[in-house]
Amino acid sequence: EAQVTQNPRYLITVTGKKLTVTCSQNMNHEYMSWYRQDPGLGLRQIYYSMNVEVTDKGDVPEGYKVSRKEKRNFPLILESPSPNQTSLYFCASSPRDRGLVVLTFGAGSRLTVL
Amino acid sequence: SQQGEEDPQALSIQEGENATMNCSYKTSINNLQWYRQNSGRGLVHLILIRSNEREKHSGRLRVTLDTSKKSSSLLITASRAADTASYFCATVNSGANNLFFGTGTRLTVIP
Repeated sequence: EAQVTQNPRYLITVTGKKLTVTCSQNMNHEYMSWYRQDPGLGLRQIYYSMNVEVTDKGDVPEGYKVSRKEKRNFPLILESPSPNQTSLYFCASSPRDRGLVVLTFGAGSRLTVL
Repeated sequence: SQQGEEDPQALSIQEGENATMNCSYKTSINNLQWYRQNSGRGLVHLILIRSNEREKHSGRLRVTLDTSKKSSSLLITASRAADTASYFCATVNSGANNLFFGTGTRLTVIP
């Protein structure tokens, strides 16, 4: 089944404890992206990647890192999480057919930072 | 921010009625897309309309695009309780390959 898989789905952690949210897609998509969703603010893009070894900042990159060493994986790293990073996180991917980006989303990762 | 804005923020209708949601955006676009999100779950792509198109249909969905007003609308006809969800517009800006999402409309369809 074609899908985007995020792990963990739920996580409670403490301030300053490094964590990684993994994202993997099995559709050979070039484009991958991370979003965070907060009440009243919609989805805001954190980082995106057009292809392997190519990453760019989105609207809210502060406090996050990403890497794209393989086409299928796009992990989101929080080096020193803070309570304002408590949020619902989504990974998404897309082929880049004729320049179009149409996203397939993962199920989401709900992160709480105490 | 390059986000679009949906209007209204929330909409409640009776089953069988039509639901209309609007989206306004700020820059020139390549295409505009609508997504649906059931509570707390990942978004699902519904429909895409290119900048040179004015109207598009998919089943009970009808999308219009007015690039002069930088706005789009999503019409869901003959709504069902299962249509209850949040709906987001997303724009791909001209010269870019990135999506920017609006803040969403929460639709409740009452059986």
